[in-house]
Amino acid sequence: DSGVTQTPKHLITATGQRVTLRCSPRSGDLSVYWYQQSLDQGLQFLIQYYNGEERAKGNILERFSAQQFPDLHSELNLSSLELGDSALYFCASSVEAGRAYEQYFGPGTRLTVT
Amino acid sequence: AQSVTQPDIHITVSEGASLELRCNYSYGATPYLFWYVQSPGQGLQLLLKYFSGDTLVQGIKGFEAEFKRSQSSFNLRKPSVHWSDAAEYFCAALGGSARQLTFGSGTQLTVLP
Repeated sequence: DSGVTQTPKHLITATGQRVTLRCSPRSGDLSVYWYQQSLDQGLQFLIQYYNGEERAKGNILERFSAQQFPDLHSELNLSSLELGDSALYFCASSVEAGRAYEQYFGPGTRLTVT
Repeated sequence: AQSVTQPDIHITVSEGASLELRCNYSYGATPYLFWYVQSPGQGLQLLLKYFSGDTLVQGIKGFEAEFKRSQSSFNLRKPSVHWSDAAEYFCAALGGSARQLTFGSGTQLTVLP
């Protein structure tokens, strides 16, 4: 158990809908990352937050957005869902002491868009 | 562009045999390097990491990895594989101005009884 929690574990929804994925980082970790894992794209970084502020952006679609709240939990919002958005979405957290830090991953949320 | 390459998509070994999973990176300077393991339906678990210093690093579950700057490699090894090691293994790097991990495409390990 990494200490990172994600809810829900599974999510099935229809095209065009909007969903919210939630992540709670490990106690003491200030940085949260979101990754998407799909068969064709592999593991791809989406976005990073540090202590409530956006720190880095990767291959995140404009239909997707995220935020980190004062209690440090984070939410990833996916809207106007398409079939191709079906994937495993991981959240990771780290302390971020300089650059020498490791990221701990949650169990993921499996999103199926039908 | 910064990249991580895992040349082997799938490796099959017999239980008790030794294992080596390959990882090569392409970065301007030596990045921080990691190996993660993902069991079916599970998240990614950190096996080991290399930041600097001793080029042979020990990890959990009996795994070790050797950093070779001359070959831009960070191969994962285990002297004797157990059936429970069957999983997908990901090499990842963190370097340059990027704050996020760049992952290889993964190597699926099958362990034969």
